[in-house]
Amino acid sequence: DGGITQSPKYLFRKEGQNVTLSCEQNLNHDAMYWYRQDPGQGLRLIYYSQIVNDFQKGDIAEGYSVSREKKESFPLTVTSAQKNPTAFYLCASSIVSLDRDQETQYFGPGTRLLVL
Amino acid sequence: AQKVTQAQTEISVVEKEDVTLDCVYETRDTTYYLFWYKQPPSGELVFLIRRNSFDEQNEISGRYSWNFQKSTSSFNFTITASQVVDSAVYFCALSESIGSSNTGKLIFGQGTTLQVKP
Repeated sequence: DGGITQSPKYLFRKEGQNVTLSCEQNLNHDAMYWYRQDPGQGLRLIYYSQIVNDFQKGDIAEGYSVSREKKESFPLTVTSAQKNPTAFYLCASSIVSLDRDQETQYFGPGTRLLVL
Repeated sequence: AQKVTQAQTEISVVEKEDVTLDCVYETRDTTYYLFWYKQPPSGELVFLIRRNSFDEQNEISGRYSWNFQKSTSSFNFTITASQVVDSAVYFCALSESIGSSNTGKLIFGQGTTLQVKP
């Protein structure tokens, strides 16, 4: 089945620890995105990538890092610099339109990160 | 600045009632896209609809319908004969543009929590 997978479903972080959230897609999409969702709020963009080996900061990139070494993978690292990391993290992907239309983003099941 | 407002934080209805979720957006662009997503308790966002700014025709898909009105910058979503399985958070989103180009980013509203009681 084609889709987006995120792992783990739940992740616990200790103070001062870096943790990495996995996002994999087999939809052959060029673009991938990471969003953060806090309780009762909408989604905020952390990072996005429209092509392998390239990525851009979103609205709340501080304290996070990403890599895009493969088309199907876009891992997100929550560093110790992120002081309030407890949230629900959603990964998405989309095709990149040649005529620059806004294509639909499809989402994974999410990872819930909790700080111990 | 581009913005999406979903003024209804929570809505509660009884099964079989019709319910409309409001979405108002702000943009100066002439070409843009609007989306609705459903987030059930499991957390995953499920795509419902994508609409181009040049297509103002209302759309119906089963019990779901969408009313796009550029004159009032609104893109409202109606569920007819609601069911318990419709209980979820619903998000409206707008494509972000810089100049005449889409950036690929989406601007989300705060979401409306719909509770359908049996």
